[in-house]
Amino acid sequence: EMQLVESGGESVQPGRSLRLSCTASGFNFGNYAMNWIRQVPGKGLEWVSVLTWNSATRGYADSVKGRFTISRDNDKKSLYLQMDSLRVEDTAVYYCARDRDIFAESYYFDLWGQGTLVTVSS
Amino acid sequence: DIQMTQSPSSLSASVGDRVTITCQASQDINNYLNWYQQKPGKVPNLLIYDASNLETGVPSRFSGSGSGTDFALTISSLQTEDIATYYCQQYHNLPLTFGGGTKVEIK
Repeated sequence: EMQLVESGGESVQPGRSLRLSCTASGFNFGNYAMNWIRQVPGKGLEWVSVLTWNSATRGYADSVKGRFTISRDNDKKSLYLQMDSLRVEDTAVYYCARDRDIFAESYYFDLWGQGTLVTVSS
Repeated sequence: DIQMTQSPSSLSASVGDRVTITCQASQDINNYLNWYQQKPGKVPNLLIYDASNLETGVPSRFSGSGSGTDFALTISSLQTEDIATYYCQQYHNLPLTFGGGTKVEIK
């Protein structure tokens, strides 16, 4: 069964850092671009970041550019999101999501994890 | 950044009704538009990609149309299991952007 499992979410104070992880199983992780998408509970979806299968292309939402860094380790089948200088408005459930097509930047997401909650509060 | 505007933000319809949700882009995005369904307490599910292509396994009562700036998601005959929030998403440019969502309820 193909699966994505996020971890690392917790409650932190503004200005602190956090690193999220997403571990894949059941498919060849290294063949796919991967994304982080967040959702404030009860609100809409916000795309956060993308990293292509070969790490050639990184993209970020304006709201996180310069503060968040996406990375991956294909040998460990893992995607990461380093979140620095956290703000109250970064509070959300963070999902990792797989691009639908292999060796491509298709930018539509066919497999999602269950999410990990990040709460930024003083 | 490309802004995506969905309407309505919510709707209530009867089982068997034809339901249409619209999504408007702030600039021409060709057909680089996807639709997702998010049921309560669940993660989003890809319904339509490239504006009109039905994802494998999605019921044929769902269809997508449009190009340029104006798009629509249609449910030809609403079922109780279609209760969900629907989102459009453009991928013409980074950053990728979603519409605000349309919550569909049964009357």
